[in-house]
Amino acid sequence: NAGVTQTPKFQVLKTGQSMTLQCAQDMNHNSMYWYRQDPGMGLRLIYYSASEGTTDKGEVPNGYNVSRLNKREFSLRLESAAPSQTSVYFCASRVGGGAQETQYFGPGTRLLVL
Amino acid sequence: RKEVEQDPGPFNVPEGATVAFNCTYSNSASQSFFWYRQDCRKEPKLLMSVYSSGNEDGRFTAQLNRASQYISLLIRDSKLSDSATYLCVVDNYGQNFVFGPGTRLSVLP
Repeated sequence: NAGVTQTPKFQVLKTGQSMTLQCAQDMNHNSMYWYRQDPGMGLRLIYYSASEGTTDKGEVPNGYNVSRLNKREFSLRLESAAPSQTSVYFCASRVGGGAQETQYFGPGTRLLVL
Repeated sequence: RKEVEQDPGPFNVPEGATVAFNCTYSNSASQSFFWYRQDCRKEPKLLMSVYSSGNEDGRFTAQLNRASQYISLLIRDSKLSDSATYLCVVDNYGQNFVFGPGTRLSVLP
């Protein structure tokens, strides 16, 4: 079991460029999440998908779009990258919404927008 | 006021010391609570869940005080390998985790 995988590991973009961050999980989890982590800020939720076919905004959705392609895959798209989107992006998954269910994280994507 | 607050530290302690972290949360309806550990430039990983009655896992003890809305983590006999950032996590409504900013721990030889 690979758990949660993310690609790419690193990316440098110029302002205005677009890109898609890929995430996949092989644990048959229903829920998937995208977070960003900035120094001193902790992890902040961008978007989440409670189940295949549904997506919802989190705390900081502006400038991002997501697609829950199937149960395994949840992608995050930056249509026009801005320097403020320089961050580390983590994808996570979880069985569902039950009490005491934990989230499992991918290794992260480090994004630099110049 | 942030929904989950932690002292950012750093806590610098010698090997073998006992260290405690506290975390406060603002949403009284929060359902589940966790401590995650994050090593430098790595993803967060579950350290332990926090149960109402308190729970222990080896050298780690977690406590929950719902009345005062705080969670604690106690680490006994600190090891060099315990050096990391410890994230307090609160689960609201069974869907969304809210992460604290983390507390940095450095265990010194």
